[in-house]
Amino acid sequence: QSVLTQPPSASGTPGQRVTISCSGSSSNIGNKNVNWYQQLPGMAPKLLIYNDNQRPSGVPDRFSGSRSGTSASLAISGLQSEDEADYYCAVWDISLSGRLFGGGTKLTVL
Amino acid sequence: EVQLVESGGGLVKPGGSLRLSCAASGFTFSDYSMNWVRQAPGKGLEWVSSISSSSNYIFYADSVKGRFTISRDNAKNSLFLQMNSLRSEDTAVYYCASERYVEGFDPWGQGTLVTVSS
Repeated sequence: QSVLTQPPSASGTPGQRVTISCSGSSSNIGNKNVNWYQQLPGMAPKLLIYNDNQRPSGVPDRFSGSRSGTSASLAISGLQSEDEADYYCAVWDISLSGRLFGGGTKLTVL
Repeated sequence: EVQLVESGGGLVKPGGSLRLSCAASGFTFSDYSMNWVRQAPGKGLEWVSSISSSSNYIFYADSVKGRFTISRDNAKNSLFLQMNSLRSEDTAVYYCASERYVEGFDPWGQGTLVTVSS
């Protein structure tokens, strides 16, 4: 069981907007920036969002991130079939002196 | 092209050792912290270890502390993970990743599979 809590699954239809939550504590999300990763089936993870809400070059602006208190969210607008993947939040934990990953959310595009 | 390539994975018996390598190209390796992240079959991502650009700061997950050692050779653009006293629960695909963004891991290697089994 991960210290960072994500819903195990999420779904949406093409064109819809979906959000994925990531809940932590004051020793991680409450005081550190959150990153989000996308892992397509059989592939290595890819950085989607860094520093809470910044997108690396090449990541479409359909993907956005936010952080408030001890929670963070990833939003995907204009959902596309190729967005079907596992999504992970990640953050440094001050108490553990280590990086944490959420348990992952499997996104299904219906 | 920015790239990381892992090697050194394989089948090893419980209690055995293995050394993973990660070769970097296409970016200034010595400027960035590096990490190892693993993924057990069918499971999520687990951070294993990180090392700062000059090797001054090193951190480990509790699950590997005292058994794994991370190191780097900036002259050879290479990252290493020495894994000792391996257990079945260490079976996973091991990825190396650079922190080229603010604590964001990019790029990632393709991963190397470590299987610990008798």
